[in-house]
Amino acid sequence: QKEVEQNSGPLSVPEGAIASLNCTYSDRGSQSFFWYRQYSGKSPELIMFIYSNGDKEDGRFTAQLNKASQYVSLLIRDSQPSDSATYLCAVRGNTPLVFGKGTRLSVIA
Amino acid sequence: NAGVTQTPKFRILKIGQSMTLQCTQDMNHNYMYWYRQDPGMGLKLIYYSVGAGITDKGEVPNGYNVSRSTTEDFPLRLELAAPSQTSVYFCASSSDNRGYGYTFGSGTRLTVV
Repeated sequence: QKEVEQNSGPLSVPEGAIASLNCTYSDRGSQSFFWYRQYSGKSPELIMFIYSNGDKEDGRFTAQLNKASQYVSLLIRDSQPSDSATYLCAVRGNTPLVFGKGTRLSVIA
Repeated sequence: NAGVTQTPKFRILKIGQSMTLQCTQDMNHNYMYWYRQDPGMGLKLIYYSVGAGITDKGEVPNGYNVSRSTTEDFPLRLELAAPSQTSVYFCASSSDNRGYGYTFGSGTRLTVV
């Protein structure tokens, strides 16, 4: 059974701080890695994806991948109250996306 | 561009009733998926399809059926509803098999009483 593990939180950070979200996965054959943001009562929306080891930056978001450690992370710089949501890590191997349970982030103004 | 449209948005079913959750996409995507999300949990794959006429089971297929007669439509059928099927159901589509760019519908909140 392919598993994706996330700390459920809540993770509370002050406005303007860096939020760090982590995810581990069990399938070493996983090829691509995704971060989705989900506001309460809404559907998930894709914010970042990464395929190669290292860092990938997009605006205030940085995704980090370490395949040897089977570890993916998402950094959110200059966190804003509007970033308060649940962040879902998703992993793909030879099957459709497998999602973690999500980490709830709360940014305190 | 409507994207992925799901109907209904809300539904209450009695135990043993049946219903069909509708999903339509207008992006000409080959790949379509049904996930369910229980409170505080991630999304679990029920069924998916890689094209018209082709469907496959996901992690939690029991109690559900699907069909894919056209590229646009991917309905999910619940037979003999049970309280364990109370959940939020999301349909999604993508243009390829890499998982890049899943587009989700707005979801159907189903309660079985």
